[in-house]
Amino acid sequence: AQSVTQLDSHVSVSEGTPVLLRCNYSSSYSPSLFWYVQHPNKGLQLLLKYTSAATLVKGINGFEAEFKKSETSFHLTKPSAHMSDAAEYFCVVRGAGNMLTFGGGTRLMVKP
Amino acid sequence: SQTIHQWPATLVQPVGSPLSLECTVEGTSNPNLYWYRQAAGRGLQLLFYSVGIGQISSEVPQNLSASRPQDRQFILSSKKLLLSDSGFYLCAWSVTGGWEEKLFFGSGTQLSVL
Repeated sequence: AQSVTQLDSHVSVSEGTPVLLRCNYSSSYSPSLFWYVQHPNKGLQLLLKYTSAATLVKGINGFEAEFKKSETSFHLTKPSAHMSDAAEYFCVVRGAGNMLTFGGGTRLMVKP
Repeated sequence: SQTIHQWPATLVQPVGSPLSLECTVEGTSNPNLYWYRQAAGRGLQLLFYSVGIGQISSEVPQNLSASRPQDRQFILSSKKLLLSDSGFYLCAWSVTGGWEEKLFFGSGTQLSVL
């Protein structure tokens, strides 16, 4: 069995300040991990993915995430938030049988 | 290149009516296929996934069913819709091979049951 927990349903930051979206997972299999972003009225877009290579993964739009096996975490970060980063973010784990499990989502709000 | 088609984009159906949402994938063979539902204010819930023709796994008991009549076709159905079936339905496909995994999502279907 596998599961994903996004620890914050809402995160609010000021433009230009760092972003941290937290994700913890559980899996009895060596997982692949992903972060997706969903802007209002749009589909899901892949930000980055971890597939057992480098533990620090760089994605699009300045986002990156670090896989920490000891902490079973895959937190998403960005040094400086932009207004266009306001969206819903999903952490996803892919385990045995290629099953995808999504976290509950984190809504990121960026204040001017 | 691979593409995924999902239709319709929006659908309004009365309670008790049937449902059929279709998803097709092009440019790949033997993909893993998924149906997800995103209820308002909630994350994505895995409904069904399939690793091959006629092979369907259901993750949650519900009013819905899925079928895979062809390698790259995945259909989500219901005989009688409930109000609680309203939501955003997303088809996805993936294939694992070589050094890179690929995940792709359809554009989704917004279903409103009235």
